[in-house]
Amino acid sequence: DAGVIQSPRHEVTEMGQEVTLRCKPISGHDYLFWYRQTMMRGLELLIYFNNNVPIDDSGMPEDRFSAKMPNASFSTLKIQPSEPRDSAVYFCASSQALNQQFFGPGTRLTVL
Amino acid sequence: EDQVTQSPEALRLQEGESSSLNCSYTVSGLRGLFWYRQDPGKGPEFLFTLYSAGEEKEKERLKATLTKKESFLHITAPKPEDSATYLCAVRTPGSARQLTFGSGTQLTVLP
Repeated sequence: DAGVIQSPRHEVTEMGQEVTLRCKPISGHDYLFWYRQTMMRGLELLIYFNNNVPIDDSGMPEDRFSAKMPNASFSTLKIQPSEPRDSAVYFCASSQALNQQFFGPGTRLTVL
Repeated sequence: EDQVTQSPEALRLQEGESSSLNCSYTVSGLRGLFWYRQDPGKGPEFLFTLYSAGEEKEKERLKATLTKKESFLHITAPKPEDSATYLCAVRTPGSARQLTFGSGTQLTVLP
């Protein structure tokens, strides 16, 4: 299995631009999670889906952030408009059982 | 509110020098404590899950233990390739499949 796939791996954009991060979970996993990691705040859960349905988006920082999961094999996290404080590493993870979550390699976002 | 505290923040060991990392938690009804390893530029990699006090899990030079208030990750005779950030996380009844992560311990093993 290829594991969780994220793209792009690195994204540099200017303040005000729209940013879209992509994730392909592990086949057969019915939960998908989006996390953000920064030095100051560590690893924070933004939103998670079960069977493509958003269950809890209380971690989404602002209305500028939105996430979708149109099917079981694809999810996007969009930031519009982006701001410098959004600079972080964004991880996607998936899981099946009540056990471990498998993380992707992350997208390092830099907003200038 | 669930809290997870890891200590120390950073730890430097000589190769072969055994030590332990600590993860203390304040949660209502633990439904699992998870240990992850994170290498620079990569996502966290799952190591162990512990569910009840007294439980232990081992993998190579690592052994995780759990009490009612904390978990330890013991590293026996570490090697430089064990250098990484070690994260612990907890799941509680009210969180469904969410995990609350600690801030991590950055371990450096010197040759």
